[in-house]
Amino acid sequence: NAGVTQTPKFQVLKTGQSMTLQCAQDMNHEYMSWYRQDPGMGLRLIHYSVGAGITDQGEVPNGYNVSRSTTEDFPLRLLSAAPSQTSVYFCASSYSRPSGGTDGELFFGEGSRLTVL
Amino acid sequence: AQKITQTQPGMFVQEKEAVTLDCTYDTSDQSYGLFWYKQPSSGEMIFLIYQGSYDEQNATEGRYSLNFQKARKSANLVISASQLGDSAMYFCAMREGPIRSGAGSYQLTFGKGTKLSVIP
Repeated sequence: NAGVTQTPKFQVLKTGQSMTLQCAQDMNHEYMSWYRQDPGMGLRLIHYSVGAGITDQGEVPNGYNVSRSTTEDFPLRLLSAAPSQTSVYFCASSYSRPSGGTDGELFFGEGSRLTVL
Repeated sequence: AQKITQTQPGMFVQEKEAVTLDCTYDTSDQSYGLFWYKQPSSGEMIFLIYQGSYDEQNATEGRYSLNFQKARKSANLVISASQLGDSAMYFCAMREGPIRSGAGSYQLTFGKGTKLSVIP
């Protein structure tokens, strides 16, 4: 009953370092996405994927890379961390068919808090 | 223009009273979906309620109801009989267009949120 699992939950980086936020879901969801949450800004979409091998940019993609080699995994890579990337990151997934009357509900991971010094 | 507008950065409500959190949206699509999520201080995102654009009745889930006024493009969340555990951030979100497998139509656009504080 894991749902969407994100690791790590906390990370501190120095400017210029690279890292990967991991995201895995066990619900066979077609759609996966990454959001960042900043105070007073709500959640903003970084990248998303509609299936293995397919990714696309969201609202704020600069400085981030993604790949989707399997249905289950959708890692987010920070290539050269900057202080502006200090944020809380959420991975979320969704299914392709409506269930229980909810059409496209996003299931979220618990979030990853990243600090870039 | 913002697609989702939540005009109340913060709200206070007395325990056991009802409270309405405002949300207006902007879309030219005929098919869309509206969602409300709750984020307690622990940080997780909890799905509360959903309204489809073609749903004729307002959605309800326990103490949560969605006051959907299509012509006004508003989708306000009503919480009845507030409890201390309702203190949290609340986000309104919209999916534009119908769900289509293999397309990016699952994207949700979020508002900036309303912080609700329930007073004992």
